[in-house]
Amino acid sequence: QSVLTQPPSVSGAPGDRVTISCTGSSSNIGAGYDVHWYQQLPGTVPKLLFYANSNRPSGVPDRFSGSKSGTSASLAITGLQAEDEADYYCQSYDNSLSVVFGGGTKLTVL
Amino acid sequence: QVQLQESGPGLVKPSQTLSLTCTVSGGSISSGNYYWSWIRHHPGKGLEWIGYIYHSGSTYYNPSLKSRVTISVDTSKSQFSLKLTFVTAADTAVYYCARRATTGWYFDLWGRGTLVTVSS
Repeated sequence: QSVLTQPPSVSGAPGDRVTISCTGSSSNIGAGYDVHWYQQLPGTVPKLLFYANSNRPSGVPDRFSGSKSGTSASLAITGLQAEDEADYYCQSYDNSLSVVFGGGTKLTVL
Repeated sequence: QVQLQESGPGLVKPSQTLSLTCTVSGGSISSGNYYWSWIRHHPGKGLEWIGYIYHSGSTYYNPSLKSRVTISVDTSKSQFSLKLTFVTAADTAVYYCARRATTGWYFDLWGRGTLVTVSS
């Protein structure tokens, strides 16, 4: 299984606020390493959504926000839209000298 | 803009070597600002980092794959390559090449990915 733990799925109705958690340990997120998030729309490649916990690359709507605390991180989406339906992955670095990913969360817009 | 494109066989027999190449276009692979990476996505599972290489040839591998992985770079062709030896069905995945900035442990540009199936 993945080093970082994410819920397999979350869902929400248009306009809702949803959050996706990413839980690590003292050897990765808890060790102070940044968390990054990727969005993979159906049939496309992963796209960087956030870097360094809460920094949005240009073009990412401010409906998306990221945060980190302790050994966990969260991705929040407000004003949920149908186009947000995708798989979301968190990623960090581990003291084992490895980049680590979460198992991914499938967001369904009802 | 910079683009990455994977190429290589889509089918590899068990125990053989998987070989893929990533061509970097629209920018310089010799830029000191990036590491050039391989990541794979197993069907129905999460992403797995394989390793990356700097233009100087310095390499960094996932410890769980290190014994089977070699990543190399050919700056004259603007390409970097992956070799994974002694493959099994567990190595069946979509393989992506990606770019990692030296300023952070994140991947800001990905190739389209290529499916490699390990089967006899």
